[in-house]
Amino acid sequence: ETGVTQSPTHLIKTRGQQVTLRCSSQSGHNTVSWYQQALGQGPQFIFQYYREEENGRGNFPPRFSGLQFPNYSSELNVNALELDDSALYLCASSLDPVRDEQYFGPGTRLTVT
Amino acid sequence: AQSVTQLGSHVSVSEGALVLLRCNYSSSVPPYLFWYVQYPNQGLQLLLKYTTGATLVKGINGFEAEFKKSETSFHLTKPSAHMSDAAEYFCAVILHGSGNTGKLIFGQGTTLQVKP
Repeated sequence: ETGVTQSPTHLIKTRGQQVTLRCSSQSGHNTVSWYQQALGQGPQFIFQYYREEENGRGNFPPRFSGLQFPNYSSELNVNALELDDSALYLCASSLDPVRDEQYFGPGTRLTVT
Repeated sequence: AQSVTQLGSHVSVSEGALVLLRCNYSSSVPPYLFWYVQYPNQGLQLLLKYTTGATLVKGINGFEAEFKKSETSFHLTKPSAHMSDAAEYFCAVILHGSGNTGKLIFGQGTTLQVKP
């Protein structure tokens, strides 16, 4: 059983650009959640997808969007990047949206200059 | 609004000493409770969780936590610290019930330093 993987590991973008971050869930996990972790802070919930539908959203603007695919992979897209978007982005997969443990990937470190 | 408070952003203990990391939550209904550990430049690893049943929960690496409903607390302990325990620790909750998603609400984290 493979764990949760994320790509790329690190990314540097310029303010105003767009970025796509990718996550591969554990096989069989039909739920994926994305979190933003700013330096020195706890992770903040961005949104969750369950069976390819958005299943909940945190306090993030619409320029943060996502997709979940049938092959247990998912994407986080961020448009019009701002300096404050610099953070570690974590995805987590689970079998059930609420009851089951969320398994986290190693994260993508995004730097916006 | 629901929240998680971790008392002490930095905790320093000597190797072999007791580790106590404090966590309190604010919720009208007892949530599911979790402790995660994060090593530098890595993702989060689950140490232990409480959903229902016995309020004293044992996790990996010798850690345990006790859910105290009357105190709305879920403090993490380990009898004897090891150098490898030095990391960032996060307490988190999930609200369950109708209409709730699996949104983990995290505390600000506590950095554990272990001195030789």
